[in-house]
Amino acid sequence: QQQVKQSPQSLIVQKGGISIINCAYENTAFDYFPWYQQFPGKGPALLIAIRPDVSEKKEGRFTISFNKSAKQFSLHIMDSQPGDSATYFCAAISLDYQLIWGAGTKLIIKP
Amino acid sequence: DTEVTQTPKHLVMGMTNKKSLKCEQHMGHRAMYWYKQKAKKPPELMFVYSYEKLSINESVPSRFSPECPNSSLLNLHLHALQPEDSALYLCASSQGARGGTEAFFGQGTRLTVV
Repeated sequence: QQQVKQSPQSLIVQKGGISIINCAYENTAFDYFPWYQQFPGKGPALLIAIRPDVSEKKEGRFTISFNKSAKQFSLHIMDSQPGDSATYFCAAISLDYQLIWGAGTKLIIKP
Repeated sequence: DTEVTQTPKHLVMGMTNKKSLKCEQHMGHRAMYWYKQKAKKPPELMFVYSYEKLSINESVPSRFSPECPNSSLLNLHLHALQPEDSALYLCASSQGARGGTEAFFGQGTRLTVV
């Protein structure tokens, strides 16, 4: 199944808190999982990505956790800041480069 | 340089107009893409060029016509568009068109069809 399910649709977090966005997939042929951050009126920007043979990847305040057996992966934003307010998309890339997108999560960080 | 440059940033066109969107990258990427994005939705793939050849056309109406003059440039020619074609048009590039390579996106062209 060529689908990536993303939740929640929207998320409000207090400044300094942890933002968590979850994604799940069905197709085991996916071999790369990027996360994109998009600000209004701008193109998506690659934030962080992970391969399924790695359980966790951290870049600054952003961490991807990957559970291959459960076919789930999540983005954690530590010490969330107002500047992190954006729409976040998880995605999966298949071997023939089909970039399958999640529906997106609108994140609002309250000061 | 990890930049994909799109021009123009904004475009308003009538339904009888002909216009073109332009995209440029200098990262040596061999795959380039056009996406269409509606508000509050993820990008939808329109076209993929791999090594300057059209490899994927996702059943896009013929009023959208892509062109890849060379490995750094990608155009999208627009003709006789409909108001429902109003959207953010995104260009992207990646190292290759096979799995496991990230796509880098441009800032997009906000297209309004009147």
